[in-house]
Amino acid sequence: QSALTQPASVSGSPGQSITISCTGTYSDVGRYDYVSWYQRHPGKAPKVIIYGVSNRPSGVSDRFSGSKSGNTASLTISGLQAEDEADYFCTSYTTSRTYVFGTGTDVTVL
Amino acid sequence: QVQLVQSGAEVKKPGASVKVSCKASGSTFTGSFVHWVRQAPGQGLEWMGIIYSSVGNAEYKQSFQGRITMTWDASTSTVYMELRSLTFEDTALYYCVRELAPNDYWFESWGQGTLVTVSS
Repeated sequence: QSALTQPASVSGSPGQSITISCTGTYSDVGRYDYVSWYQRHPGKAPKVIIYGVSNRPSGVSDRFSGSKSGNTASLTISGLQAEDEADYFCTSYTTSRTYVFGTGTDVTVL
Repeated sequence: QVQLVQSGAEVKKPGASVKVSCKASGSTFTGSFVHWVRQAPGQGLEWMGIIYSSVGNAEYKQSFQGRITMTWDASTSTVYMELRSLTFEDTALYYCVRELAPNDYWFESWGQGTLVTVSS
């Protein structure tokens, strides 16, 4: 099972919107609506920000949104803030009854 | 929200075994699934397996079959992951992760990570 493909880095100015893609195959992203997204600040445990493609857990800002089209899922951060600077990764359940992770994207707020 | 507290860093020689613990603080694992995920230096995250706390059975990623065991101690709400026959490629940060309800298919809480270093 190959890792899901994400851009290595994405940057934006405060207030802007950015989108991070997560591309898999029909055996994972394309097959199930079980894509989730996580934010990880250096030295901290990851935190879920999107589950089930587009659902936000309680307490997560509505500036974070998720979507999916075919084998590619996307995370959009609107109204970019300095605190959004972090590593973001996606994950998907697979037809092998396993999970596969994205390669990770470093978000920089300019 | 539950906190998952993992055991401390380990240094092991090639061929040895390591056992990492993960304790739920502020809640229990009862009714939840617990996964183990690792990240080697400069590499992406890798899912290793899952233990179904209610019944205690586990499923492992094929590449770890035969050298990994996940167990659950209900009395202390602690999950363990033992990895045997360590090689240099097992050097990684190991996370325990809780899937709050069966078949949620997402990871609600993460431990702080346990660094395992395999060195001769």
